[in-house]
Amino acid sequence: EVQLVESGGDLVQPGGSLRLSCAASGFTFSSYAMNWVRQAPGKGLEWVSAISGGGASTSYADSVKGRFALSRDKSKDMLYLQMNSLRVEDTAVYYCARPIRGVYRGFDYWGQGTLVTVSS
Amino acid sequence: QSALTQPASVSGSPGQSITISCTGTSSDVGGYNYVSWYQQHPGKAPKLMIYDVSNRPSGVSNRFSGSKSDNTASLTISGLQAEDEADYYCSSYTGSNTLVFGGGTKLTVL
Repeated sequence: EVQLVESGGDLVQPGGSLRLSCAASGFTFSSYAMNWVRQAPGKGLEWVSAISGGGASTSYADSVKGRFALSRDKSKDMLYLQMNSLRVEDTAVYYCARPIRGVYRGFDYWGQGTLVTVSS
Repeated sequence: QSALTQPASVSGSPGQSITISCTGTSSDVGGYNYVSWYQQHPGKAPKLMIYDVSNRPSGVSNRFSGSKSDNTASLTISGLQAEDEADYYCSSYTGSNTLVFGGGTKLTVL
């Protein structure tokens, strides 16, 4: 059974840093690209970042480019999102998601989400 | 990376059909057949309903169908049921290694 479990969400002050983790199981992790999608309280979905199966290629939304860094550890089947220079508008539930195929062609498995709150 | 345009809300009675539109540009919806649709119930993670414009993942009811014409994609739900009441989001690849979502549509089953 495919499972994605996020962790690391917390309350952090503006300008602070946080690292989110996503533990994957039930599938060959290195064979799939992975993504992060976030949802601010009461708002819609926003794509954040993607990483290729091998980890060599990453992409980011303009809203996080230069502040967030996505990486993966294939030995541990783990996905990491390093978030720096956090802003109030980064407050959201962050989901890791696996595409059904390719990188962006529909996410068929999602984690339960982890809440990041940026506030002073 | 402007969000795709969806109606804020739609409604229908049980048994009826409804259609939710998702309008983008030639750089996203119109340029690629990589449109997806998600259903999200309150407090839950999104669920993939349609990918690649019109494909249903295994286990998704055939009451859900997707299509695209020019820069607008559509999700149609036929035989509306109470459990279909949820928020629905479209997404599209943008061609610059990014993905964009629609603003979401709240479906109310009357």
